[in-house]
Amino acid sequence: IVLTQSPGTLSLSPGERATLSCRASQSVDRDYLAWYQQKPGQTPRLLIYRASTRATGITDRFSGSGSGTDFTLIISRLEPEDFAVYYCQYYDDSPQVTFGGGTKVEI
Amino acid sequence: EVQLVESGGGFFQPGESLRLSCAASGFTFSDNWMHWVRQGPGKGLVWVSLINNYGTSTIYADSVKGRFTISRDNARNTVYLQINSLRAEDTAQYFCARGGDRNFDFWGQGTLVTVSS
Repeated sequence: IVLTQSPGTLSLSPGERATLSCRASQSVDRDYLAWYQQKPGQTPRLLIYRASTRATGITDRFSGSGSGTDFTLIISRLEPEDFAVYYCQYYDDSPQVTFGGGTKVEI
Repeated sequence: EVQLVESGGGFFQPGESLRLSCAASGFTFSDNWMHWVRQGPGKGLVWVSLINNYGTSTIYADSVKGRFTISRDNARNTVYLQINSLRAEDTAQYFCARGGDRNFDFWGQGTLVTVSS
């Protein structure tokens, strides 16, 4: 499975809505699709798992959706702390784990 | 509080070997699969390896098979990553991560490995 994230960079302003895409090279089980946030110099943080379930402590400004080959992470109203790199990840039954190349959300 | 603390990184020459450690606390270590993920300078995340909770099953990314060995000691709450025949392309921050529900729910801060002559 190859995960392709787009766009590579998203330039937005605080308060705007961010839409990030993750496309799989073949249809995948949505229960095994997750999203992570990584701020500069920090460790990645789990945001969304099972494609649409927010991890513990994650604000409802983050939402995930999708199925098959197309998945989306939406940040409804960007806050200054949301500017970061976002990765999607698929964990298959082999098990093998694949990350997308990341989308940078910048001001 | 869940904590994962990696160690063992540093500056190495090509061909050398190293062993990274990840000490876990704040949860029942033997209940969880554990993973290593690496990130090259300015690059994205790359999954490296996993080990099941008993240490009886290990899986590797194709890119590291044959040179990397993951292991764990549940009595010491520690997971290890042995890397042999180091190459320049192994230069990266190495993170250990706790396996959750088909995801990584907690990550360590990472340990930096630099391979250069």
